[in-house]
Amino acid sequence: EVQLVDSGGGLVKPGGSLRLSCAASGFNFNSYSMNWVRQAPGKGLEWVSSISTSSSYRYYADSVKGRFTISRDNAKNSLYLQMNSLRAEDTAVYYCVREDTDTTVAGVDYFDYWGQGTLVTVSS
Amino acid sequence: SSELTQDPAVSVALGQTVRITCQGDTLRSFYASWYQQKPGQAPVLAIYGKNNRPSGIPDRFSGSRSGNTASLTITGAQAEDEADYYCDSRDSSGNHRVFGGGTKLTVL
Repeated sequence: EVQLVDSGGGLVKPGGSLRLSCAASGFNFNSYSMNWVRQAPGKGLEWVSSISTSSSYRYYADSVKGRFTISRDNAKNSLYLQMNSLRAEDTAVYYCVREDTDTTVAGVDYFDYWGQGTLVTVSS
Repeated sequence: SSELTQDPAVSVALGQTVRITCQGDTLRSFYASWYQQKPGQAPVLAIYGKNNRPSGIPDRFSGSRSGNTASLTITGAQAEDEADYYCDSRDSSGNHRVFGGGTKLTVL
């Protein structure tokens, strides 16, 4: 059974830092790109960042670029998000998400498994 | 980055058919995926690609695409289908993902 367990959220002051973790199990972790997606209270989903299987490619939403860093440790089946210079608008539930691709049809990729989410609150 | 546009809210009578749409220029190049989210829960993948359902998703859910519009259709909506629905695809660079604003579905 595929499982993604998010952790590391909490209350942090503006300008502070936090590191989120995601423990993956039940699948070959090093074969999948991974992502972070967040959802502010009462708002919609927002893609945050993605990382390729061997960490060669990392992409960020404009809203977090230069402040957040995504990383992974394939030996530990773990995904991370280092968040620096946090702002009130970063307050959200952060989800670790697995990305899969249909290799038979161009332009088809999707988020097939989601963690339970971890809440980050940025407030003084 | 590119945008995906969804109607904020849609309602449907129990047992009837409802279509939820998602518009964006990048949908001409990339397929949309659809996610169902119920209150307090993580999103669940409902439809991906041309019209593919993960295991566990009822066959009353289907997907389609025409031009720059992707659609999620629920044929014979049930009370348990009441939820928020989000589309997702890639932006014009192909490197970033983007979500639609979400559609709140009410089953009357």
